[in-house]
Amino acid sequence: QQQVKQSPQSLIVQKGGISIINCAYENTAFDYFPWYQQFPGKGPALLIAIRPDVSEKKEGRFTISFNKSAKQFSLHIMDSQPGDSATYFCAASKGSARQLTFGSGTQLTVLP
Amino acid sequence: DAGVIQSPRHEVTEMGQEVTLRCKPISGHNSLFWYRQTMMRGLELLIYFNNNVPIDDSGMPEDRFSAKMPNASFSTLKIQPSEPRDSAVYFCASSGQGTNTGELFFGEGSRLTVL
Repeated sequence: QQQVKQSPQSLIVQKGGISIINCAYENTAFDYFPWYQQFPGKGPALLIAIRPDVSEKKEGRFTISFNKSAKQFSLHIMDSQPGDSATYFCAASKGSARQLTFGSGTQLTVLP
Repeated sequence: DAGVIQSPRHEVTEMGQEVTLRCKPISGHNSLFWYRQTMMRGLELLIYFNNNVPIDDSGMPEDRFSAKMPNASFSTLKIQPSEPRDSAVYFCASSGQGTNTGELFFGEGSRLTVL
């Protein structure tokens, strides 16, 4: 099964708050888990990615937490800013293949 | 460096007409992907080329859809005949051997409306 399930569908957070988006996958062969950020009228762009040999990866205000046994991973945005308002997609791929299976997306709104 | 370039950015056509979407990948990238984005189905992979050869076209919805990559710098996605349910944003993305696995570089998309 290639599916990646993402929640919530939409999220509203106050400026300075923490945004948390969750994803779950079924295919244990997946070994690369990126998050993409998409602004209106633009294509998705890579935000941060993780491999299953680590449980957490942090880049600035963005952190991926990975739970291999539960087959889940999540994106945490600390000190959320209005400029973070966008749609976020989790994704997964396996091996040397570059085909990504995307989650359904989360529309994040950060209120000023 | 120029990113992935797609044209047209917007296309409005009538049911039954032929639609051709175009993509120029990032120079040096050897993998090219066509994705379709809709509210109902999210981002769906339609077809994937590696070194100009179609590798996986299992996502192409039906025979009305076809894609070609005649050279490393150009690809087309054609819909003939088009139907209202084909209305979506179509993204082209590329990736290269020098990039991390899974890092795709997307164009800005072609928004297709079929009336």
